[in-house]
Amino acid sequence: GAVVSQHPSRVICKSGTSVKIECRSLDFQATTMFWYRQFPKQSLMLMATSNEGSKATYEQGVEKDKFLINHASLTLSTLTVTSAHPEDSSFYICSAVPSNNEKLFFGSGTQLSVL
Amino acid sequence: GENVEQHPSTLSVQEGDSAVIKCTYSDSASNYFPWYKQELGKRPQLIIDIRSNVGEKKDQRIAVTLNKTAKHFSLHITETQPEDSAVYFCAGLSGTYKYIFGTGTRLKVLA
Repeated sequence: GAVVSQHPSRVICKSGTSVKIECRSLDFQATTMFWYRQFPKQSLMLMATSNEGSKATYEQGVEKDKFLINHASLTLSTLTVTSAHPEDSSFYICSAVPSNNEKLFFGSGTQLSVL
Repeated sequence: GENVEQHPSTLSVQEGDSAVIKCTYSDSASNYFPWYKQELGKRPQLIIDIRSNVGEKKDQRIAVTLNKTAKHFSLHITETQPEDSAVYFCAGLSGTYKYIFGTGTRLKVLA
C-alpha cells in the first residue's frame, strides 16, 4: 500500500509557541491531503483539506489563522499550529489519497502536548 | 453532507467468538465504505472496504456486508483473537475523497 510519513511523532512545547507538522507521501503524488484531529478515545475529526498549489479548505469551526496549512508540492503538506495553547493538545494525523485510488492512507500521527 | 453513525461504542467478546460492528450513513450517493483498525497511539489501518455494487466482501476472518437500501454496513470478525483488540472506525464518503468517520468501536477480546 501507499506510504504516508508524518513528523514529528511527538512534540512538547510551551504555550504561545508555534509548532509545524509535516506530512509526506513517499511513493505517490497527492494533490489532496487531509488533516484530522483526534482527542483521547474519540473519533477522527476532519480539520481541513489541503490542496496542492491552492488554499486549504477548512471545516466549520476550525480557525484557518490558528491552523496554517501549506501544500507546496505534490508530496508535502504542513500544518502549523500557531500560538499553541493547552487546549490545542491533541493527536494530529494527516492522510492522503493516491491518484486514481479512493483508498485513504494515514500518516503515523503527531501527539502535541502544550504546557 | 454525509453523516455516519456507528454502534456499539464498546464491545467485549470472548476469544474465539464473533464480533459485529454496525454503521449507518445518510448520503445515498456514497459508494465506497472502508473500515479502519486503530491501535493505541498508532495510525488507522485500512482492513477491508466495499463498493456499493457489492453486497458482501470477505477477507479471511473479516467480512463486510452492505445494505444500500437501508443505508447500513457492518463489519464481521470471526474467531476473534486478542490481537483483534483495538478501535474500529467505519467511514463514508462526502464529496471527492472527503471521508467522514464513525465514532469508533472499542473492541476488547477477552482471553
